[in-house]
Amino acid sequence: NAGVMQNPRHLVRRRGQEARLRCSPMKGHSHVYWYRQLPEEGLKFMVYLQKENIIDESGMPKERFSAEFPKEGPSILRIQQVVRGDSAAYFCASSHRQGGSGNTIYFGEGSWLTVV
Amino acid sequence: AQSVSQHNHHVILSEAASLELGCNYSYGGTVNLFWYVQYPGQHLQLLLKYFSGDPLVKGIKGFEAEFIKSKFSFNLRKPSVQWSDTAEYFCAVNPTGNSNYQLIWGAGTKLIIKP
Repeated sequence: NAGVMQNPRHLVRRRGQEARLRCSPMKGHSHVYWYRQLPEEGLKFMVYLQKENIIDESGMPKERFSAEFPKEGPSILRIQQVVRGDSAAYFCASSHRQGGSGNTIYFGEGSWLTVV
Repeated sequence: AQSVSQHNHHVILSEAASLELGCNYSYGGTVNLFWYVQYPGQHLQLLLKYFSGDPLVKGIKGFEAEFIKSKFSFNLRKPSVQWSDTAEYFCAVNPTGNSNYQLIWGAGTKLIIKP
């Protein structure tokens, strides 16, 4: 089984541009989670999606950030009008079942966004 | 607020040295505890976890961690490190009852092993 695949691994954007980060979950996984790691901080949960549905977006910034997980294709985390503070590592994870206690979640390699 | 502290952001050791990475958390209730590792260019992977039972947990690659409830700590140890242990190590805590995706993460410790 291929693991959780994220791309691009590194992305540089100028302030005001849009950033799109993609995540292909492990084969057979229909639950996807996005996390952000700001410099010198731990990972922070952003959003939990199941195919075509947002289950929990309690960690998503209210503006400029959106996520989707269409029926076909990867999950996309989209950041509009990026600012320097968006520079971070963005991790995607997936699971076979709902991400409840005891269920194993598998992580990708991360995508590093740098806003210049 | 619930938080996880990893006291050392960077640790440099020589091969064969002993390793202990500190992890403390702030939460008064029951927790599940995890250590994850990210080797250079690879994905985050689970190193070991504690849910209940023996507070000394053994993980992969010779790592172990001890849960000391009175100290709110879950330190990671390895008696003799190898160059291949160079990686970033993350401690994470999940208050019991929270979903697994809602882990509270430490900031990570970058470990460099000199050959």
